[in-house]
Amino acid sequence: GENVEQHPSTLSVQEGDSAVIKCTYSDSASNYFPWYKQELGKGPQLIIDIRSNVGEKKDQRIAVTLNKTAKHFSLHITETQPEDSAVYFCAAHARLTGANNLFFGTGTRLTVIP
Amino acid sequence: EPEVTQTPSHQVTQMGQEVILRCVPISNHLYFYWYRQILGQKVEFLVSFYNNEISEKSEIFDDQFSVERPDGSNFTLKIRSTKLEDSAMYFCASSEFGTLQETQYFGPGTRLLVL
Repeated sequence: GENVEQHPSTLSVQEGDSAVIKCTYSDSASNYFPWYKQELGKGPQLIIDIRSNVGEKKDQRIAVTLNKTAKHFSLHITETQPEDSAVYFCAAHARLTGANNLFFGTGTRLTVIP
Repeated sequence: EPEVTQTPSHQVTQMGQEVILRCVPISNHLYFYWYRQILGQKVEFLVSFYNNEISEKSEIFDDQFSVERPDGSNFTLKIRSTKLEDSAMYFCASSEFGTLQETQYFGPGTRLLVL
């Protein structure tokens, strides 16, 4: 089955700096890669996703890159702000026989220092 | 904005007891999911549910687990005889059609502690 690895587990950056979180996956059939942000007391919220037919996607300060050959994808947050502090999860979609199952990484706790 | 809700937010139970975790998916969504996250570990898929039956389940979802949609709004996860290792955060999620590459919306989770 699919195995998603995520690094680093914790990341501290100064406000205004960039943050990069990296994930690798094992199943070459995976074709959908969402990123979720989890704030304290809340469930994971989708912030951006990328599909296997593109190599990069950007949404304001957030960008995601995908390298299908190397089976890794990354989340880039530029001009970080204190409200970006949260736990970030990458995930990969690996369809079993029917439904839409996600395989998650272990999460990265991002702290943005004002 | 519509959201997935879960109750209770925390539950403490004795080993061997039955627990029912409740979820209200987004109202026009057709696919429902349960995931769990043991402390310090990955979020893991348990089961997906569509049209009043299980669509897919992982090997974690053994005979002690069951899911049900008892009415038009609730989606429940039952653990028949809890074990210590069932202690985890349980997340419910829903998606509109359950198609490939479709966004899944997660609830805030229920933290289950089995003593």
